[in-house]
Amino acid sequence: EVQLLESGGGLVQPGGSLRLSCAASGFTFSSYALSWVRQAPGKGLEWVSAISGGGISSYYADSVKGRFTISRDNSKNTLYLQMNSLRAEDTAVYYCAKGFSSGWYRMNYWGQGTLVTVSS
Amino acid sequence: QSALTQPASVSGSPGQSITISCTGSSSDVGGYNYVSWYQQHPGKAPKLMIYDVSDRPSGVSNRFSGSKSGNSASLTISGLQAEDEADYYCSSYTSSNTLVFGGGTKLTVL
Repeated sequence: EVQLLESGGGLVQPGGSLRLSCAASGFTFSSYALSWVRQAPGKGLEWVSAISGGGISSYYADSVKGRFTISRDNSKNTLYLQMNSLRAEDTAVYYCAKGFSSGWYRMNYWGQGTLVTVSS
Repeated sequence: QSALTQPASVSGSPGQSITISCTGSSSDVGGYNYVSWYQQHPGKAPKLMIYDVSDRPSGVSNRFSGSKSGNSASLTISGLQAEDEADYYCSSYTSSNTLVFGGGTKLTVL
């Protein structure tokens, strides 16, 4: 059974940093791209970033480019999102999601999310 | 990258069919057959319902179907059931090597 478990969310002040983790199990981790998708309270889904199975290629939304860094440790079956220079508009539930088949742009398994709140 | 355009809400009675539209541009929906649809119940994670415009993942009911014409894609749900009441989001790969979602559509089963 595929499982994705996010952690690392919490309350952080504007301008601060946070690192999210997503522990995966139930599939060959290094064979699949992974993404982070966020959802602000009461709002829609917003794609944040994706990374290829081998970790060579990464992609970012304009809204986070230069502030967030996606990475993965295939030896630990774990995905990360380093978030710097956080803003109030980054407040959201952050989901990690597994790519389906060969494409990172379709996601067939999602975690339950971790809440990030940026506030003073 | 602007969000794809979806109607804010749609509704239908049990047994009826409804269609949700998703409008983008030639840089996303119109340029690639990489449109997906997700269902999200309140407080839950999204679930992939349709990928690559019209393909269904294993385990998804054949009451769900997808199509595309030009810069617009559509999700059709036939034989509406109470359990279909949820938020639905489309997404598309873009020419900028990013992914864009629609604003979401709330489906109400009357």
